[in-house]
Amino acid sequence: QQQVKQSPQSLIVQKGGISIINCAYENTAFDYFPWYQQFPGKGPALLIAIRPDVSEKKEGRFTISFNKSAKQFSLHIMDSQPGDSATYFCAASLSRFGNEKLTFGTGTRLTIIP
Amino acid sequence: KAGVTQTPRYLIKTRGQQVTLSCSPISGHRSVSWYQQTPGQGLQFLFEYFSETQRNKGNFPGRFSGRQFSNSRSEMNVSTLELGDSALYLCASSPWAGVTYNEQFFGPGTRLTVL
Repeated sequence: QQQVKQSPQSLIVQKGGISIINCAYENTAFDYFPWYQQFPGKGPALLIAIRPDVSEKKEGRFTISFNKSAKQFSLHIMDSQPGDSATYFCAASLSRFGNEKLTFGTGTRLTIIP
Repeated sequence: KAGVTQTPRYLIKTRGQQVTLSCSPISGHRSVSWYQQTPGQGLQFLFEYFSETQRNKGNFPGRFSGRQFSNSRSEMNVSTLELGDSALYLCASSPWAGVTYNEQFFGPGTRLTVL
């Protein structure tokens, strides 16, 4: 059972444009929603994360929008740059001892073209 | 500070064999988690160790096991390898137990190919 659904699978955006990646979750007990960025040959690295009591979090060009009632959250990359070309994973976890793990989306391959 | 290191980086095994992968966390980090990454299933949590104790376990068969040593280094073992075990195995470390509100620092992974 896939508890975190991510779309689109791949995305091509022109340099300077806005990249938007969406995720939907099923388990309302999730209480932590991070986004990870992965470059080829490297492990994922934390980009930005949000808690469910906040509707939006911004760090530089990266923004998470969170809609608790719709059980959806999204990553917006403003002024997208070629260096942002990578695979992005959303994830969710619940802080329950014995069942605490990160559940990842299937990833979005983002390509920024000049 | 050195990052998470994983050895070996690449490994080729045949069906039925067993394999041991190693992970050295960032200095001072006491939690180590393991993940399997495949094109079809994406990133899936295997287990987390903290202070030499397994805290959480994902939905993998008992052929997948791990352990953590007193210096926080961790090993993962897969016995009776199957073709479907071919994957990138990622190790992540963090200073504290748990993954919630707790940044995971990933290593580059070990690419396992089962023939």
